[in-house]
Amino acid sequence: AQTVTQSQPEMSVQEAETVTLSCTYDTSESDYYLFWYKQPPSRQMILVIRQEAYKQQNATENRFSVNFQKAAKSFSLKISDSQLGDAAMYFCAYRRAGNQFYFGTGTSLTVIP
Amino acid sequence: GAVVSQHPSWVICKSGTSVKIECRSLDFQATTMFWYRQFPKQSLMLMATSNEGSKATYEQGVEKDKFLINHASLTLSTLTVTSAHPEDSSFYICSVVTPTDGANVLTFGAGSRLTVL
Repeated sequence: AQTVTQSQPEMSVQEAETVTLSCTYDTSESDYYLFWYKQPPSRQMILVIRQEAYKQQNATENRFSVNFQKAAKSFSLKISDSQLGDAAMYFCAYRRAGNQFYFGTGTSLTVIP
Repeated sequence: GAVVSQHPSWVICKSGTSVKIECRSLDFQATTMFWYRQFPKQSLMLMATSNEGSKATYEQGVEKDKFLINHASLTLSTLTVTSAHPEDSSFYICSVVTPTDGANVLTFGAGSRLTVL
């Protein structure tokens, strides 16, 4: 079974600063995708960024970027120029070939004004 | 991207009654939908994969008779919590896998909060 581990239950960052959220996963598959989802207080899950395992280049979406280390099975999310609206729970997710998604335990991010 | 509508957004029921939650894919024909359960301050747990026109596939440890899933059309899946008890109180979220920019991503409904008294 696939497991996704987020070792930081809570993180905080000063507004306009940079923060990195950690994620590791365990799998024996070679073809998979990794995602970061955001869940604000409204509880609506929102896709932040995705990474295809076969791509070596790290994905980037505006202020959000990932550091994907396939051999280490690590997939961290970097948020630059943090904004108050970034405050949320962040979930790392693994998608296997059958389209089942498995989520980590989440990291609660607080942005300090 | 796809739009997923979930109803009701919250429901309170008495112990022993059944509750139905609907999940609609408004602009995408979904042969597969996924149902998740989320306890407060915890992660999403995949409950089952809803398959249009056939039986749902349940994850290990999820009671099929407790959580009935029906996927009668390409745009509608329903989750019925039968004979609900307080321990069934939770946040239930449905999702649809949609192709986006060459990759399949999950689009979520807004979730349904169930409280069983």
